This record gives sequence, structure tokens and C-alpha cells, in this order.
Amino acid sequence: DQQVKQNSPSLSVQEGRISILNCDYTNSMFDYFLWYKKYPAEGPTFLISISSIKDKNEDGRFTVFLNKSAKHLSLHIVPSQPGDSAVYFCAASVGGGSNYKLTFGKGTLLTVNP
Amino acid sequence: ETGVTQSPTHLIKTRGQQVTLRCSSQSGHNTVSWYQQALGQGPQFIFQYYREEENGRGNFPPRFSGLQFPNYSSELNVNALELDDSALYLCASSFKTGSYEQYFGPGTRLTVT
Repeated sequence: DQQVKQNSPSLSVQEGRISILNCDYTNSMFDYFLWYKKYPAEGPTFLISISSIKDKNEDGRFTVFLNKSAKHLSLHIVPSQPGDSAVYFCAASVGGGSNYKLTFGKGTLLTVNP
Repeated sequence: ETGVTQSPTHLIKTRGQQVTLRCSSQSGHNTVSWYQQALGQGPQFIFQYYREEENGRGNFPPRFSGLQFPNYSSELNVNALELDDSALYLCASSFKTGSYEQYFGPGTRLTVT
């Protein structure tokens, strides 16, 4: 039973456009959400996070939106750059922090075309 | 500041054998978590260690065990290897207190034949 779902295995966008990656979750106990980026042959690297008490968090070109009633979050990348091409994982945790058990989705491969 | 390192990079074992994977945490971090990432899947939580004690466990059988040492380096041991254990094994380190993100190593690719 997948508690964190990323239903799009892949996404392709043009450089300069917006990339929107989506994530749904089923466990209402999740109270902290994160996005990780993973390049081949490297471990996942933290990108941005959001607490369940917020509905938006922004960091430069990256914005995460959380819709608790829909149990849905999304990552917006504007403008997209070729270097953003990677696998993006949505993750969630219980307990208000990000240093405990993370439950990951399967990931979405983002390709940004020059 | 050194990041999280893991060894070996790749490993091939035979079914029924035992394996030990190693992780060196980022400097100053006192918590280490291990994850298994099967092909086409996201990482799955195996367990976490804090100050040398297991601090939570995912849905993995007892043949998956771990150790954390006083210098906060860590080991993952898997006994009686099965074909389904073939995966990328990731360790991640963090500070226990506060909302600090986990920093992942590059992983060890284990193949069981």
C-alpha cells in the first residue's frame, strides 16, 4: 500500500518554462513533506520542504504547495533549467520533523530540454 | 565539511550469503538512517540509529540489522541474502533534534545472484 504516490513517472518541459511535479498521499498523520532531487550515481539531495501548518513555501526558483484537504502537494520550478533534469522524489514524515522515517514516492523523472 | 560516504560502491553476492555495508556520517551528525531503493521504486526506510541505539524500524525482517559506532559511522548487515535484496542501499545522516534534513550518501549497489 503506497502512502505517497507520484503518478507521473516522467515529465518533459522546455527550458525557461514551468515544471510542475505532483504528489498525493493517503496517510493523514503525515505532517511534514519534502522534495528530494536525485542525479544518477548520487544520493538524493534535499530540495525544499513544507510543514503541514503552511500551504506554500518558496525558495528561489522552487515553490512547494500543500493542499491538506486534497492530500496533495506539488513542486513548481520556474524557470526550468537543463540542470534541473533529474529524478524528483516526494517524501513525507510523521512527527513534525524531517530527521526521522521518510516515506518516499516512486519518483518523477524530469527532463528539461534546451 | 565532509559529506556522507558509503562503501563499497558496488557488491555482488550469492543467495544465502551475508553482507556488511558501511556508512560514514556527515561531520557532527548523530543520527543515521538506512534506506533500500529497489529498481523503479523510491527509497524505503529500513531503520534509524541515534547514539548507537535503534530508534525506529521499517517493515524489514530481523535479518536486516545495524550498528552505529561512537564516531557515528554505521553498518548495515544483511544475513541469508535473497534475490529480492538486490537494490541500492542508501544511508542518510542528520541531527536528532530539530527539523534538520537528512543528507544522503551515494549508496551501495548490491546485486544478489
